[in-house]
Amino acid sequence: EIVMTQSPATLSVSPGDRATLSCRASQSVSSTLAWYQQKPGQAPRLLIYGASTRATGIPARFSGSGSGTEFTLTISSLQSEDFAVYYCQQYNIWPPGTFGQGTKVEIK
Amino acid sequence: QVQLQESGPGLVKPSQTLSLTCTVSGGSISSGDHYWTWIRQHPGRGLEFIGYIYHTGSTYYNPSLKSRVSISVDTSKNQFSLRLSSLTAADTAVYYCARESGDSGWYGFRDYWGQGTLVTVSS
Repeated sequence: EIVMTQSPATLSVSPGDRATLSCRASQSVSSTLAWYQQKPGQAPRLLIYGASTRATGIPARFSGSGSGTEFTLTISSLQSEDFAVYYCQQYNIWPPGTFGQGTKVEIK
Repeated sequence: QVQLQESGPGLVKPSQTLSLTCTVSGGSISSGDHYWTWIRQHPGRGLEFIGYIYHTGSTYYNPSLKSRVSISVDTSKNQFSLRLSSLTAADTAVYYCARESGDSGWYGFRDYWGQGTLVTVSS
């Protein structure tokens, strides 16, 4: 099973600042990596697939990069609605397509 | 716009069987372009894949749950369903249905989700 490790567990950021979230795979997943945003009481929302392709309706301030085992989600200028938990998920080995444990982005 | 909606009981007794249904609107399960999946999230924790079904009835289950899980599809109603047996408190979680999509020949990202339903296992 591919293990996905996200860091940091919690990221404290001021509104308007840049946020950089990391995700590492235990083995290469090429570019088969997705990012999701989850707000309290809501389902996850797909942000990025293919490591860098924004899903429909996702603002340009969200960008994804990386390939192989190292990936990054960048939020260029945090808005109030961006404070949430973010999950990465590989689908190179699918099923099951394993998730990371999440990074919580909180207001500094 | 594709929408998914879970339905089923919120409280189930230990040792009983959980039955949940996901109704899909705005798209057809029969199109064959996607897989249809169940995922759960234990309180305050991460996301766990339960299994998926294809419109043909082909399924895949998480090996850790395989002995207790069954997923079925009713294409005439545009629904798919989850059954999880021999419930314990460890099965208390929010259960989500989702659509699995693919790109460039690689399937496995979840682009549409239901809002989730909290299932509590308690006597």
